[in-house]
Amino acid sequence: NAGVTQTPKFQVLKTGQSMTLQCAQDMNHEYMSWYRQDPGMGLRLIHYSVGAGITDQGEVPNGYNVSRSTTEDFPLRLLSAAPSQTSVYFCASSYSGQAGKQYFGPGTRLTVT
Amino acid sequence: EDQVTQSPEALRLQEGESSSLNCSYTVSGLRGLFWYRQDPGKGPEFLFTLYSAGEEKEKERLKATLTKKESFLHITAPKPEDSATYLCAVLKGAQKLVFGQGTRLTINP
Repeated sequence: NAGVTQTPKFQVLKTGQSMTLQCAQDMNHEYMSWYRQDPGMGLRLIHYSVGAGITDQGEVPNGYNVSRSTTEDFPLRLLSAAPSQTSVYFCASSYSGQAGKQYFGPGTRLTVT
Repeated sequence: EDQVTQSPEALRLQEGESSSLNCSYTVSGLRGLFWYRQDPGKGPEFLFTLYSAGEEKEKERLKATLTKKESFLHITAPKPEDSATYLCAVLKGAQKLVFGQGTRLTINP
């Protein structure tokens, strides 16, 4: 099993550009989530999904959109990138009812100039 | 408001020097406290789940304990490969994980 995969690993955007961070898992997990990690602030939840067609907001959802059309994929869209969105983004997944025990991807380092 | 605070921010130890990391939490109705390890440039890796005060979990040189207000991660006779950032988190409701800022642990040979 590949586990949780994320693409790209690195990305540089200009302010105002849009892009999609890809996340996929092959463990048949119902729960998937997106976090951002900033120095001194730990991991903060952006959006999460408990199954295909169901998404909800986390702590810091503004400026990000998600959708979940399949169990395997959970893309994160930045609509109009801002320098404040410079961060490392992690996708994670878990079995239903086990949101505390998540499997994380390797991360995407995003820089917005 | 649910909150998780870890201390210290960073800790340097000599190989074999035991110590503890602290995780204080405030949450209404604890549904679990979780410890993760994160190596530089990688995603966090799950270590332990603790559900109730008095519970303990062990894995190699690590032991996690839980009281009503805090959790400790005890590291006994650490080795350089134990160097990492250790994160704790609590569940907010059933679906949202709230993380602390982490403790960056360095073990010098």
